[in-house]
Amino acid sequence: NAGVMQNPRHLVRRRGQEARLRCSPMKGHSHVYWYRQLPEEGLKFMVYLQKENIIDESGMPKERFSAEFPKEGPSILRIQQVVRGDSAAYFCASSPPGTPYNSPLHFGNGTRLTVT
Amino acid sequence: GQQLNQSPQSMFIQEGEDVSMNCTSSSIFNTWLWYKQDPGEGPVLLIALYKAGELTSNGRLTAQFGITRKDSFLNISASIPSDVGIYFCAGWNTGNQFYFGTGTSLTVIP
Repeated sequence: NAGVMQNPRHLVRRRGQEARLRCSPMKGHSHVYWYRQLPEEGLKFMVYLQKENIIDESGMPKERFSAEFPKEGPSILRIQQVVRGDSAAYFCASSPPGTPYNSPLHFGNGTRLTVT
Repeated sequence: GQQLNQSPQSMFIQEGEDVSMNCTSSSIFNTWLWYKQDPGEGPVLLIALYKAGELTSNGRLTAQFGITRKDSFLNISASIPSDVGIYFCAGWNTGNQFYFGTGTSLTVIP
């Protein structure tokens, strides 16, 4: 009965490298959300995806950030050419199929990205 | 943009005391959710509310969906040290938008 699985839990990258964060939603869930959290702050929405579709990316920076949720496999949040300001905890959440607009989101334990 | 305002921002209470916190919005919500986040972990769903006036309990936690549909309340009775953490409200409004609250940090003094 696995929940939302994120890996890695911790990721260290040097400035200019690429970071790839993976998220496997709860079994049977088809909606995936990515959030970013800075220390002592709340969660900021980045992107909402369904299988093979980006539904809402209004919270995603226009450059260097991309997300996908392929037909097979986990959702990937990709950050190219990381900078120190990208250091944060990135959380993935999922919700069941059907209309998502009243469903609770279930969160993973996050990936803590540190850019040195 | 839209924001869910939580109050208080932080609380320091003695073990055994009851806790009350609330969440308010400028728009009408269809669903209210309460989460708890421990340090280094993801938010964990505590209670989900779907109807105005609904009162739902989960152990020592009780949450209510406000009658105006613009607010929600969370109460914790007889607090214990493991209640420490940050409590977030969240929800879906009538425009099918999902928002998180600003969080209430709870410290329980043994």
